Amino acid sequence: AQSVTQLDSQVPVFEEAPVELRCNYSSSVSVYLFWYVQYPNQGLQLLLKYLSGSTLVKGINGFEAEFNKSQTSFHLRKPSVHISDTAEYFCAVSLDNQGGKLIFGQGTELSVKP
Amino acid sequence: NAGVTQTPKFQVLKTGQSMTLQCAQDMNHNSMYWYRQDPGMGLRLIYYSASEGTTDKGEVPNGYNVSRLNKREFSLRLESAAPSQTSVYFCASRADRAQVTYNEQFFGPGTRLTVL
Repeated sequence: AQSVTQLDSQVPVFEEAPVELRCNYSSSVSVYLFWYVQYPNQGLQLLLKYLSGSTLVKGINGFEAEFNKSQTSFHLRKPSVHISDTAEYFCAVSLDNQGGKLIFGQGTELSVKP
Repeated sequence: NAGVTQTPKFQVLKTGQSMTLQCAQDMNHNSMYWYRQDPGMGLRLIYYSASEGTTDKGEVPNGYNVSRLNKREFSLRLESAAPSQTSVYFCASRADRAQVTYNEQFFGPGTRLTVL
């Protein structure tokens, strides 16, 4: 069975500092990978996705992620964060032959301080 | 385009009461999903519908039923609510292979349910 582990439940960081949110997955077959962001009291919004092709994926708001098949990781990065990036971030995987069901990690709460 | 809409936004129930959460999408997607979100557990799939007329269980289906009323609407019913069903419920729909946003799931704003 597939699973997703987000290694940090909370990440505090100062404004304009770089940040990396870590995500590892387990699967014996190829997966699609996603990062979603959830601002307080809102639904989830897609940041970026990896379906195939280049392993470096760029998303919205200056975020990017790198798919590493050998390490089964899909870490999210941003070189310089803003206060407005404060939110919860979810990593998720899906298999094309399973109806597109998403399996989510536990979430990482990013807190950007001035 | 309204995207994915959910009603109600908030609901308080007493143990044993029933209710239906409504979800609709206007993006012509075939696949729709119901998730619940609990602190520290991410989102977990309750039920999904790959196409109109079909539904399948997800990871946590017990205590819930669903109806895919038509291509646009997918409802979630709690027949006899329990405190363990206190959660935030999200509906989502997935872009199809023919669409530019293939495989992306679009989420509604959520329903906050409290069962006393």
